[in-house]
Amino acid sequence: AQTVTQSQPEMSVQEAETVTLSCTYDTSESDYYLFWYKQPPSRQMILVIRQEAYKQQNATENRFSVNFQKAAKSFSLKISDSQLGDAAMYFCAYRRRMNRDDKIIFGKGTRLHILP
Amino acid sequence: GAGVSQSPSNKVTEKGKDVELRCDPISGHTALYWYRQRLGQGLEFLIYFQGNSAPDKSGLPSDRFSAERTGESVSTLTIQRTQQEDSAVYLCASSLGAGVSYNEQFFGPGTRLTVL
Repeated sequence: AQTVTQSQPEMSVQEAETVTLSCTYDTSESDYYLFWYKQPPSRQMILVIRQEAYKQQNATENRFSVNFQKAAKSFSLKISDSQLGDAAMYFCAYRRRMNRDDKIIFGKGTRLHILP
Repeated sequence: GAGVSQSPSNKVTEKGKDVELRCDPISGHTALYWYRQRLGQGLEFLIYFQGNSAPDKSGLPSDRFSAERTGESVSTLTIQRTQQEDSAVYLCASSLGAGVSYNEQFFGPGTRLTVL
């Protein structure tokens, strides 16, 4: 079975600084997707970034980038120039690629605080 | 168009009562998912619909939980004889469910269920 582990329950970062959230996962599959989702207090899950396992290049979306280490099964999220609006729960997640509509498996989340 | 909507937003019930939670997916989305999020935890998959059939019910925790979907629209998650451990946020997601490429899951705002 696939699992996703986030070992940092909470993190804090000063506004405008850079923070990295860690994630490891376990799977026997070779082809899959990895995601970072943001969940603000509104409860709305927002997709921040997606990485295809077959791509060696790390995904980036504006201030958000990932460090994908397939052999180590590690997938960290870097947030640059942190803003107050980045405060939220962040979930690392996994999905097999073989089925286009497969379920997503989530980690337990990291609560990110932004200090003004 | 409109996003995924869920109702009610909050539901408080007494132990032993039945509850129904509703999800309206994005129009045209044939795939629909239910997830459960316990306090301080990540999302757990419950059930997946493709159209009105449910090819994956593997996440339903007990026979007190059931779900149905009418055509390719509304879905209802029913919990019978609710227990205090059923208290959680129940999130619904939908995706296009067609084509051969990746289909993003779009999440609703969830229903917070409290069982007293």
